[in-house]
Amino acid sequence: NAGVTQTPKFRILKIGQSMTLQCTQDMNHNYMYWYRQDPGMGLKLIYYSVGAGITDKGEVPNGYNVSRSTTEDFPLRLELAAPSQTSVYFCASSSSSGRFYNEQFFGPGTRLTVL
Amino acid sequence: KQEVTQIPAALSVPEGENLVLNCSFTDSAIYNLQWFRQDPGKGLTSLLLIQSSQREQTSGRLNASLDKSSGRSTLYIAASQPGDSATYLCAAPGGGADGLTFGKGTHLIIQP
Repeated sequence: NAGVTQTPKFRILKIGQSMTLQCTQDMNHNYMYWYRQDPGMGLKLIYYSVGAGITDKGEVPNGYNVSRSTTEDFPLRLELAAPSQTSVYFCASSSSSGRFYNEQFFGPGTRLTVL
Repeated sequence: KQEVTQIPAALSVPEGENLVLNCSFTDSAIYNLQWFRQDPGKGLTSLLLIQSSQREQTSGRLNASLDKSSGRSTLYIAASQPGDSATYLCAAPGGGADGLTFGKGTHLIIQP
């Protein structure tokens, strides 16, 4: 099993450009998440999904969009990149969530710089 | 809203010492809590998932405890080694949305 994979590893964007961060998991997990991590800070939840076709906002959703057409894939879209979106983005998955969640597994991250 | 706090923010100790990392959370209506390790520029590695029914969970030289009544969890590292140098993150569920709420981490340096 590859676990959770993310592409690209690094990306530099100009202000106003758009891009999609890819995330794929091969553990057949229903729950998937996107987090961002700013320097010296903990991770913050951007969006999450409880299954194919179902997504919901987390703590910091502004400026992002997601879709979940399959169980395996959960891409994150940045439409108009801003310097405030410079961060490291992590995708994660788990077999359950909420207060009864099981272990979350994380991808290696995408380091994004917006100039 | 769940809030997670980790103390200390940074810690530097000589090799071989036993040490304790602390994590506190505000919403104690949780059933489990997860500890992660993060190396510089890398992703998160899950260390331990501890459930309230267990009270403690062990993996090698690591031992995590969870006390819901006090809103605290501790990660105990025995006989520390330079390879243990990393940032350790504590994360708890809750906060109004599915997903984890993270502390800012404890940056640990083990001096050879």
